[in-house]
Amino acid sequence: DTGVSQNPRHKITKRGQNVTFRCDPISEHNRLYWYRQTLGQGPEFLTYFQNEAQLEKSRLLSDRFSAERPKGSFSTLEIQRTEQGDSAMYLCASSPARGGETEAFFGQGTRLTVV
Amino acid sequence: GQSLEQPSEVTAVEGAIVQINCTYQTSGFYGLSWYQQHDGGAPTFLSYNALDGLEETGRFSSFLSRSDSYGYLLLQELQMKDSASYFCAVRDSWGKLQFGAGTQVVVTP
Repeated sequence: DTGVSQNPRHKITKRGQNVTFRCDPISEHNRLYWYRQTLGQGPEFLTYFQNEAQLEKSRLLSDRFSAERPKGSFSTLEIQRTEQGDSAMYLCASSPARGGETEAFFGQGTRLTVV
Repeated sequence: GQSLEQPSEVTAVEGAIVQINCTYQTSGFYGLSWYQQHDGGAPTFLSYNALDGLEETGRFSSFLSRSDSYGYLLLQELQMKDSASYFCAVRDSWGKLQFGAGTQVVVTP
């Protein structure tokens, strides 16, 4: 068990460019969550998947953001036409599908800087 | 609206006891979780309360009162390595977490 893996760890991009992040959850974890964290704040929920189905999206997730989990394993989060306000740490977490009583395991995150 | 309130910073000396309070106002409450995050690191699960009462895990304990929408995390026998940010988070039935802004705990020698 290697834990939740996120790539890349750091990404610097110019405003207006598209970026894509990848998350590999703990194997056999059915649920996968994306969060965004800015400096001095707690993580904010973006979206989550049960297997390959995207079950909920936060209003924070504008139409420039899209997430997929095509085979119910790894997930990608794409941001199109990045803006400076998108600079943040993007965290992925996974958990087994046993209701709300199980803990979520977080990856190390991808730190995005938009210049 | 939905919100969680916790103190922004707490400072204590090694060996001391620290209590971090958390009050919440949210819908879809299933339980209250606590996470620790060191600078540059991932949030790490510490404790979870679904029912009223105290949960003890080593030096860390967590308490919940659902009727008061209140919980706390108790850190005992503080060590330097406990210097980190601590987040309370409301968990819904799907495991989705809504986090507070975090409490920075500073442990001094």
